[in-house]
Amino acid sequence: ETGVTQSPTHLIKTRGQQVTLRCSSQSGHNTVSWYQQALGQGPQFIFQYYREEENGRGNFPPRFSGLQFPNYSSELNVNALELDDSALYLCASSLPGQNAYGYTFGSGTRLTVV
Amino acid sequence: QKEVEQNSGPLSVPEGAIASLNCTYSDRGSQSFFWYRQYSGKSPELIMSIYSNGDKEDGRFTAQLNKASQYVSLLIRDSQPSDSATYLCAVQGSGNTPLVFGKGTRLSVIA
Repeated sequence: ETGVTQSPTHLIKTRGQQVTLRCSSQSGHNTVSWYQQALGQGPQFIFQYYREEENGRGNFPPRFSGLQFPNYSSELNVNALELDDSALYLCASSLPGQNAYGYTFGSGTRLTVV
Repeated sequence: QKEVEQNSGPLSVPEGAIASLNCTYSDRGSQSFFWYRQYSGKSPELIMSIYSNGDKEDGRFTAQLNKASQYVSLLIRDSQPSDSATYLCAVQGSGNTPLVFGKGTRLSVIA
């Protein structure tokens, strides 16, 4: 059973709307990374949060934003949704400086934009 | 642009055979290499990690790394139908730099 919980598991949004996805990190993990996995593709890095600050960002536009809270849980917000935003969104928690061997992935949120 | 290349497949092997999955990467600074298994609609599951040249075995799985050729492979011995999944190769630089994933290879093990 994973220690990282993502919610919701599935949702459907209309183009142009805004969406918030949530991730609770594994106990003791204060770093959260978010990935987008489009159908038939590998996950792509969106950004990482450490101690409530963005600590690295991939090639995603500013309408993708995030937050990390004092309890290390995190949110991914996407504004002005586009059809291509339809994907599985994954979060992974870890300890700072730990490589991916220490990542714990959540089960993901499947977002469909219509 | 850091890239990881994999043959998308599908790779079909009979039950009991050896499945060989391959991956190349572009960033010579990569230090950590991972293989993930992903069932349809599920999140990736780490099955192997390798950090130095050579082979690393864990049960039916063997990971191979050749940094000079920028090549990583995964062998699955005695393949089972339950091994049917997409296998993602991922590489990472130092520390907690972002994982760079390939597109994955779909493996089908035929009973």
